[in-house]
Amino acid sequence: AQSVAQPEDQVNVAEGNPLTVKCTYSVSGNPYLFWYVQYPNRGLQFLLKYITGDNLVKGSYGFEAEFNKSQTSFHLKKPSALVSDSALYFCAVREGGGNKLVFGAGTILRVKS
Amino acid sequence: NAGVTQTPKFRILKIGQSMTLQCAQDMNHNYMYWYRQDPGMGLKLIYYSVGAGITDKGEVPNGYNVSRSTTEDFPLRLELAAPSQTSVYFCASNVGGLNTEAFFGQGTRLTVV
Repeated sequence: AQSVAQPEDQVNVAEGNPLTVKCTYSVSGNPYLFWYVQYPNRGLQFLLKYITGDNLVKGSYGFEAEFNKSQTSFHLKKPSALVSDSALYFCAVREGGGNKLVFGAGTILRVKS
Repeated sequence: NAGVTQTPKFRILKIGQSMTLQCAQDMNHNYMYWYRQDPGMGLKLIYYSVGAGITDKGEVPNGYNVSRSTTEDFPLRLELAAPSQTSVYFCASNVGGLNTEAFFGQGTRLTVV
């Protein structure tokens, strides 16, 4: 069965600094990987996805993520953090051939000015 | 564009009561999902549907029931509410296919007392 781990409950960065939110996954087939963001009292919003092709994928709001097959990771990155990036971030994986999207526990990102 | 609409937004139930959480989408998506979100636990899949008349269990289906009589609607039924069902419930949909992102409703915050 597929699974996702987000090893950090919270990540704190200063505004203007680069940020990384970590995600590792476990699937038996080809992974389809997603990042979602949740702002307070809102539903989840799609940020970006990796299906195939280039290991570096770009998404909304200046975010990007790097797929690393050998390390089974899909870390979310942004070169310069904004205070408005503060939110709860979820990594998710769908196993090739499966219908289910499995989410990690989430990582709180706090960007301080 | 309404997207995915959930009602109600908040509800307090007494132990043993029943209720239905409503979910409707206007994007003609085949796939619909119900998740619950507990603090520090991420999202857990309760039930999902790949089309009208077809439903299947997710990770945590006990205590819940669903139906999918139309493409647009996917209600979640709680028959005998228990305190363990206190959570935030999210409905989501996507067009289908493993590489498509999901669209989420704004959630229903349910408290069972």
